Amino acid sequence: GNSVTQMEGPVTLSEEAFLTINCTYTATGYPSLFWYVQYPGEGLQLLLKATKADDKGSNKGFEATYRKETTSFHLEKGSVQVSDSAVYFCALISGYSTLTFGKGTMLLVSP
Amino acid sequence: DSGVTQTPKHLITATGQRVTLRCSPRSGDLSVYWYQQSLDQGLQFLIQYYNGEERAKGNILERFSAQQFPDLHSELNLSSLELGDSALYFCASSVDRPGTGHEQFFGPGTRLTVL
Repeated sequence: GNSVTQMEGPVTLSEEAFLTINCTYTATGYPSLFWYVQYPGEGLQLLLKATKADDKGSNKGFEATYRKETTSFHLEKGSVQVSDSAVYFCALISGYSTLTFGKGTMLLVSP
Repeated sequence: DSGVTQTPKHLITATGQRVTLRCSPRSGDLSVYWYQQSLDQGLQFLIQYYNGEERAKGNILERFSAQQFPDLHSELNLSSLELGDSALYFCASSVDRPGTGHEQFFGPGTRLTVL
């Protein structure tokens, strides 16, 4: 079956630090990959996506590249802000399956 | 704002009771998904409806049921509530047509507290 593994948090960084949140997956077929973000007290928002190998998704300074050879979709940002503090979920969908989420990684950014 | 609405925002009830959570999808979206988010279980997929028909089932308890109405809004019914059912319940919607991708748009959630 499909599964997503994310690094455990919390990830604690100072403002302007570089961020990496690791995500690896197992899937049948050729999945589409997503990063969702959940700010405190809110629902999940789609942050970025990639639908085929070597695609790079990007949004709001965040990037992730679909690496089929390593089955990974790591999230990166060059300079985090306090407002980026949230929980980040890696997810995939394959064929007509439903979204499979990782457990989420909490990011805490201090001034 | 994702365009998905959920009511109520908060719900407090007692064990053994029954509640109904409501979701209105984004305009034009045919699929509705329900998820449960709790601290110990994380984000769990419950059930999906597509244009009124059940399409996929996840970790949904027999005490829970859902339906999607002709106007595409959906309701999740939770009965014989237990303390462990306290969680955030999210609804999501997607277009779910071939070639359009399957990204889901989430509502703000209903926080259920069972006392």
